[in-house]
Amino acid sequence: EIVMTQSPATLSVSPGDTVTLSCRASQTVLTNLAWYQQRPGQAPRVLIYDATTRATGIPGRFSGSKSGIEFTLTISSLQSADFGVYFCQQYNDWPRTFGQGTKVEIK
Amino acid sequence: EVQLVQSGAVVKKPGESLRISCKASGYTFSNNWIGWVRQTPGKGLEWMGLVWPGDSDTRYSPSFRGQVTISADKSIDTAYLQWSSLKASDTAIYYCARHARVGTTNDWFDPWGQGTLVTVSS
Repeated sequence: EIVMTQSPATLSVSPGDTVTLSCRASQTVLTNLAWYQQRPGQAPRVLIYDATTRATGIPGRFSGSKSGIEFTLTISSLQSADFGVYFCQQYNDWPRTFGQGTKVEIK
Repeated sequence: EVQLVQSGAVVKKPGESLRISCKASGYTFSNNWIGWVRQTPGKGLEWMGLVWPGDSDTRYSPSFRGQVTISADKSIDTAYLQWSSLKASDTAIYYCARHARVGTTNDWFDPWGQGTLVTVSS
């Protein structure tokens, strides 16, 4: 199965910062990658799909990019609502797999 | 509005059977794959499998094949996840989630249900 490796495990940041989260696939997933945000006590919600497309209603401060098998989620001007855990997921190969998550916490 | 509403938290003993549900509304249930995802503190999110409500076709992760059964009843717009004999290691939050696009298996999940906490303890 494809292993998705996210880094770092935890990011301690301040409101207003710009953060970059990474997700590396063990083999190609083409652009079949999504990013999800999970706030404490809530279900995940999709932010980005097809590696770079923002989901409906997601603010422009969230952006996704791809370079080979490396994927990046960038959050600009971090707001208090953005603190939580972020997961990537590939949907190119069976079984679909998630990364282990990056926790974005308040410094 | 597309919504998935899951059944409530449950406490079971090892060896007992269980079926949890996911009721869909706001779209044509038979047109999108529905999946199940397990979340634990130690392993994060794990993709378990999918069901096509139109004909109950399923896809399973090898890690969960034979351990759970995923099904759907299109007459009542509801998907299910069931166990015949629970283990303590099945303790987790289980989410159902819909594939975003009609018909395709190469897809992301949107939206997700609110989650069902399953606790298995003697």
